[in-house]
Amino acid sequence: KAGVTQTPRYLIKTRGQQVTLSCSPISGHRSVSWYQQTPGQGLQFLFEYFSETQRNKGNFPGRFSGRQFSNSRSEMNVSTLELGDSALYLCASSSYDRDSFEAFFGQGTRLTVV
Amino acid sequence: ELKVEQNPLFLSMQEGKNYTIYCNYSTTSDRLYWYRQDPGKSLESLFVLLSNGAVKQEGRLMASLDTKARLSTLHITAAVHDLSATYFCAVKYNDMRFGAGTRLTVKP
Repeated sequence: KAGVTQTPRYLIKTRGQQVTLSCSPISGHRSVSWYQQTPGQGLQFLFEYFSETQRNKGNFPGRFSGRQFSNSRSEMNVSTLELGDSALYLCASSSYDRDSFEAFFGQGTRLTVV
Repeated sequence: ELKVEQNPLFLSMQEGKNYTIYCNYSTTSDRLYWYRQDPGKSLESLFVLLSNGAVKQEGRLMASLDTKARLSTLHITAAVHDLSATYFCAVKYNDMRFGAGTRLTVKP
């Protein structure tokens, strides 16, 4: 069974630009969550999607947005990039079946804003 | 607001020794996760604990959950160098809230 796939793995962007990151969950998983990891703030929840609907949203500015497609693949977008957006962005997929509560993480996209 | 606190944040151990990492959380939850992260890598799922008194073991690691005390522990038995990594606990409430992580270094 293929794992969670995130693309691209690395990105370098300039302040003010926008970026789109992609996450393909494990086949059959309908829930995708996004997290930002930085040395200073640790792992912070961005948002969660389930069956194309945003279920939860973390405390991030509106520059951070996401969506989920009918095939469960998800994208997150960050507009007007700031230096502080440099981070490892992780997505996790879950099935949330009654007997399966695990969240599996992708390898992440390392974004550097210069 | 749900808060998840891990301690210690840094742990240096000698091979063969035992130690415990603690994870306290502030709000009732029925799901607690433990993850491992190697430098520059993603999060690897170790354990999912779903009920009070749950105990799970994998190799030299054992995790337990006390929902009444809002406490989970990750016990390391006879540590080996390969266990060097950062360990996170996380609690599922509305979203998944992570602790700050415990950076474990096992020295020969």
